Amino acid sequence: DTEVTQTPKHLVMGMTNKKSLKCEQHMGHRAMYWYKQKAKKPPELMFVYSYEKLSINESVPSRFSPECPNSSLLNLHLHALQPEDSALYLCASSPLGLAETDTQYFGPGTRLTVL
Amino acid sequence: QKEVEQNSGPLSVPEGAIASLNCTYSDRGSQSFFWYRQYSGKSPELIMSIYSNGDKEDGRFTAQLNKASQYVSLLIRDSQPSDSATYLCAVSPFSGGYNKLIFGAGTRLAVHP
Repeated sequence: DTEVTQTPKHLVMGMTNKKSLKCEQHMGHRAMYWYKQKAKKPPELMFVYSYEKLSINESVPSRFSPECPNSSLLNLHLHALQPEDSALYLCASSPLGLAETDTQYFGPGTRLTVL
Repeated sequence: QKEVEQNSGPLSVPEGAIASLNCTYSDRGSQSFFWYRQYSGKSPELIMSIYSNGDKEDGRFTAQLNKASQYVSLLIRDSQPSDSATYLCAVSPFSGGYNKLIFGAGTRLAVHP
């Protein structure tokens, strides 16, 4: 089973709202990732959690705040977003087993629209 | 200079033909190489992974890796209209306890009946 789940599937929010995206995996994977994908562009890495600790922040604005409450769950808290933040937000996880064979599996994504 | 380069396409092939998708990368220290398929509006789906020089076959898909030339390709045999999608090449140096994927821009494949 290589399933990563994400909720909600769609989210519409105003620029003053606070919302959260949720990602869950029950594969025992030890790394989890947030990506942002704009139309006709490849996914762009935002954050990486490795063993529940933030390993990398790709200079993401502070209006995006990640959280990893446990090894199976990853959240992305959103506050004061801009219309240009509208995108598909993808969560992924990977086992972090053998270095050379680590593979990321993506969830279905959350389609975010900021009005 | 882009780190992972792909021809954006569209690559148009007739049904039943072989589709050949190519990718070059700039980081010689790259360890792992992946092909993802992405249908419009959906998330990337892993098709193939390859780590060693040579060919790796899985059903109708064959991945080819040449580290000396910094080149990775994906062949799709007996192409079907359902293969029409964007194919993303992703490369990872794997360092620091996490796996950072660098994606190419993707090649759009169109298989016509």
